[in-house]
Amino acid sequence: GEDVEQSLFLSVREGDSSVINCTYTDSSSTYLYWYKQEPGAGLQLLTYIFSNMDMKQDQRLTVLLNKKDKHLSLRIADTQTGDSAIYFCAGTLGRSLENYQLIWGAGTKLIIKP
Amino acid sequence: KAGVTQTPRYLIKTRGQQVTLSCSPISGHRSVSWYQQTPGQGLQFLFEYFSETQRNKGNFPGRFSGRQFSNSRSEMNVSTLELGDSALYLCASSLEDRVYGYTFGSGTRLTVV
Repeated sequence: GEDVEQSLFLSVREGDSSVINCTYTDSSSTYLYWYKQEPGAGLQLLTYIFSNMDMKQDQRLTVLLNKKDKHLSLRIADTQTGDSAIYFCAGTLGRSLENYQLIWGAGTKLIIKP
Repeated sequence: KAGVTQTPRYLIKTRGQQVTLSCSPISGHRSVSWYQQTPGQGLQFLFEYFSETQRNKGNFPGRFSGRQFSNSRSEMNVSTLELGDSALYLCASSLEDRVYGYTFGSGTRLTVV
């Protein structure tokens, strides 16, 4: 079935890089997203990558897509305390635009150590 | 530019009652989607509306319904509330083709007692 998997927690030291990983089923034609959720708030779109791309960089964020292994990662450079949040991986997993909906991972809680 | 506005922020209802949640999308966004977020099931898609028509629907019972108005504002309704309906309900708006991602509201926290 359709599935997106993430580890539940990641702990990193302030100033280090954080790498959050995600694996997914089906990659025929997929739109993939990273969202951030802070306590008591909705979700904030961080970045997206389409299945015809391998990498995307946006300031401190780097997304890598390995289509063969169906693996997506989000790297946050120079992690700050303000990066503490839950990070969700989501994808359309082969659905057509007419049937567009996102399948979500369970979220990775990023914990920053001083 | 105003964000996605959801009202109310918090709601407490009794089992068996019904509830209506409201969402005003970002100006210019005509697609509005609704998601339910719970600790046990995570984020699950409810439905999407575009140009006042339901364009897509998730696997929720018929007690969950929605509609969209001509100004793109959307409402969702849950009838005959059950304890398991307690959740954060998130509204997200996007451009017509959705592939560039959603803008989410802060959600409505529904508690059913």
